[in-house]
Amino acid sequence: GQSLEQPSEVTAVEGAIVQINCTYQTSGFYGLSWYQQHDGGAPTFLSYNALDGLEETGRFSSFLSRSDSYGYLLLQELQMKDSASYFCAWSDFNKFYFGSGTKLNVKP
Amino acid sequence: NAGVTQTPKFQVLKTGQSMTLQCAQDMNHEYMSWYRQDPGMGLRLIHYSVGAGITDQGEVPNGYNVSRSTTEDFPLRLLSAAPSQTSVYFCASSRRPGTGVSEQYFGPGTRLTVT
Repeated sequence: GQSLEQPSEVTAVEGAIVQINCTYQTSGFYGLSWYQQHDGGAPTFLSYNALDGLEETGRFSSFLSRSDSYGYLLLQELQMKDSASYFCAWSDFNKFYFGSGTKLNVKP
Repeated sequence: NAGVTQTPKFQVLKTGQSMTLQCAQDMNHEYMSWYRQDPGMGLRLIHYSVGAGITDQGEVPNGYNVSRSTTEDFPLRLLSAAPSQTSVYFCASSRRPGTGVSEQYFGPGTRLTVT
């Protein structure tokens, strides 16, 4: 079967660094994406990895290890506006499959 | 560019009623999909399409139909609404998965309640 696992909730302090892990089990894997969703809003794209290694986009970085079926999203210099849910999603050549999401609480 | 648009934003149905959720995109994307999101949960794929005239089932297709007659439009039909279909529905479009960075663009969602 296929599955994605990520922690349900993470709490961090403003200005800190937080890492949200994602492990997956699937066949036909092509890439791993990350999305942010604020309460009541639509998901928005953050980052994508098809190859092993780190992708950096401003304060956000995403890492993938295909051999370990593992990835993470790293958020630096946390801001209150980063409080949201974060989803990892794998893709094959036909579809995207989302994890259940990690709720990030940023405290002052 | 309007991006991905969805109508209606809110809808209340009685059990057994049918309706169509509309979705349109103006980015000429091949790939379109429908997800449902229940409270505190992730996105579950209902149906997807890799181009006009081509659709396929996702994880939770029962009770829903789709068609794709044009690149722009991908309506989702609820055949006979049930309370279990109370959810938020998101439509998304992107380049086809596996063709590079497939950033999905999501519509604002339709909040559906079935009583």
